[in-house]
Amino acid sequence: QVQLFQSGAEVKKPGASVKVSCWASGYTFTSSYMHWVRQAPGQGLEWMGIINPSDGYTSYAQKLQDRVTMTRDTSTDTVYMELSSLRSEDTAVYYCARELHSASYWAYWGQGTLVTVSS
Amino acid sequence: EIVMTQSPATLSLFPGERATLSCRASQSVSSNLAWYQQKPGQAPRLLIYGASTRATGIPARFSGSGSNTEFTLTISSLQSEDFAVYYCQQYNNWPPRVTFGPGTKVDVK
Repeated sequence: QVQLFQSGAEVKKPGASVKVSCWASGYTFTSSYMHWVRQAPGQGLEWMGIINPSDGYTSYAQKLQDRVTMTRDTSTDTVYMELSSLRSEDTAVYYCARELHSASYWAYWGQGTLVTVSS
Repeated sequence: EIVMTQSPATLSLFPGERATLSCRASQSVSSNLAWYQQKPGQAPRLLIYGASTRATGIPARFSGSGSNTEFTLTISSLQSEDFAVYYCQQYNNWPPRVTFGPGTKVDVK
């Protein structure tokens, strides 16, 4: 069955960078796009961007495109999301999510990774 | 950017009652709309995609309708496990410019 496993919680200082990983299992890694979505404490969902694990194509939310980088490693079936120049507003749970039916909605989610930005 | 709005912000109902949640898009998204349920401490769960297609394993009491800019999620008879926050999401563009509504919290009256 499809499973997505994310790396553990992180605490970072303002201005630092964080890199979150998402290991995929139970399907052909290169067959489906992966997205990243985040959720600040007590807030709604925010889409961050998409990566094609097959060729590395990426597209980012305009709000984050100067600070976010998504990459993949096909040898380990893992996608990564790196966010730089962290600020307190980046404190959130970060999720990876796999497309269903080759469209941007997601039946498969990672467990979430809490990133806390605090001085 | 397509702005999604949801109403009401909170819906207080008794178990067994019918819940009607609304979602509106600032411009047409055709039928490219999904609904998710989220409980505290959990990832969102896909309920509906294509505005009206139930995802695998979703009970028949959940139904979606609408197109273009106006959408509805209906829960025909609320069960205890249905009290949660519900989000609508549009996915009308390529490359994706996904946006979510702010959510509707369904709580116990």
